Amino acid sequence: GESVGLHLPTLSVQEGDNSIINCAYSNSASDYFIWYKQESGKGPQFIIDIRSNMDKRQGQRVTVLLNKTVKHLSLQIAATQPGDSAVYFCAETAQGGSEKLVFGKGTKLTVNP
Amino acid sequence: DAGVTQSPTHLIKTRGQQVTLRCSPISGHKSVSWYQQVLGQGPQFIFQYYEKEERGRGNFPDRFSARQFPNYSSELNVNALLLGDSALYLCASSYRAPGRTEAFFGQGTRLTVV
Repeated sequence: GESVGLHLPTLSVQEGDNSIINCAYSNSASDYFIWYKQESGKGPQFIIDIRSNMDKRQGQRVTVLLNKTVKHLSLQIAATQPGDSAVYFCAETAQGGSEKLVFGKGTKLTVNP
Repeated sequence: DAGVTQSPTHLIKTRGQQVTLRCSPISGHKSVSWYQQVLGQGPQFIFQYYEKEERGRGNFPDRFSARQFPNYSSELNVNALLLGDSALYLCASSYRAPGRTEAFFGQGTRLTVV
């Protein structure tokens, strides 16, 4: 079945370092991917998205990379700040199928000052 | 502009009771989806509505039902509550069907079943 997973459940970095959060997906029909940030007690917050016709997309301090060959997605956060501490989820969906987002289990990012 | 709003924010119910959760999407958004998030896991899809029609249903029992109103707000109903229904229930709205455009989430309703 379709599933989205993450390689590491936790990631700890120093303030100012760059962070890389990884995600593997198994549904080759997936064509749209979103990264969400979820702080404690809050709903997921949209960070950045990417479609399958792209392999890279940049936002403010964030970059998403998509490798369709190995079905891998990553989120890069530049100059990580304490406010970036949260759980990060990748989600995917497939056009023409059930219009749902499939989430992975999440990676908890901790930024040490 | 107001984001996705959900009510109530917290709720405690007894096993066997029924609960109704409410969601107001971002103004102009026509699609509403519901997700269940158990502690320590990612959100799991329950329902998706677009233009007041059910467009998707996740692997949840018939005790779960939902509807979307003409103003695009939505309700999620859960009957015969079980302890395992305790979770954060999230509503997401998007302008078009999810997957075609960004989906934005509300703060969620924390349901505790005792």
